[in-house]
Amino acid sequence: GAVVSQHPSRVICKSGTSVKIECRSLDFQATTMFWYRQFPKQSLMLMATSNEGSKATYEQGVEKDKFLINHASLTLSTLTVTSAHPEDSSFYICSASGAQSSYEQYFGPGTRLTVT
Amino acid sequence: GNSVTQMEGPVTLSEEAFLTINCTYTATGYPSLFWYVQYPGEGLQLLLKATKADDKGSNKGFEATYRKETTSFHLEKGSVQVSDSAVYFCALKGPPGGGKLIFGQGTELSVKP
Repeated sequence: GAVVSQHPSRVICKSGTSVKIECRSLDFQATTMFWYRQFPKQSLMLMATSNEGSKATYEQGVEKDKFLINHASLTLSTLTVTSAHPEDSSFYICSASGAQSSYEQYFGPGTRLTVT
Repeated sequence: GNSVTQMEGPVTLSEEAFLTINCTYTATGYPSLFWYVQYPGEGLQLLLKATKADDKGSNKGFEATYRKETTSFHLEKGSVQVSDSAVYFCALKGPPGGGKLIFGQGTELSVKP
């Protein structure tokens, strides 16, 4: 099956700093990538959808200036959490989709962000 | 809008017990239905899917049948193992919403030896 990686798997940052999370599709071209946020023992909340070469489409209530998404190539998307605060601490999961994955979403292993 | 409702967990079973996790959905049109599994500290893995009414998805001993008349996609396994302990998410994808997946709240399964 298609493989999606995320880096880092865990990150701790200080309040007020920015942190970047990478999502890569390793064996297929991902025309679309999705970013989710998951709170403990809860479901996944879609934050934004990004198409390669285009601006991301954010879900209602998600601050686009705080959660910067870039999808500059067919194998890489990044999520930058700017001026992080403790309430941004969460598990962030990306997924990737493309013709080579039959447009099914394949998920990365997630990134645990802790803001101190 | 589209939505998915799962039975609440946690579900605790003994090894080799029969498993059912209920999932019902609300959708316009004809969505595709999915079950994903999330092991502790990991992302989601697709477990099985069905794309049209009466389809049965199956994988690793798990199965689910797309029931349009009852708008359900219940997950079943005849004999669970300790290694099946995880959180299971039911999801749908369909118009409207394009490629977006709509997830249920997840059901935690714990299998005891």
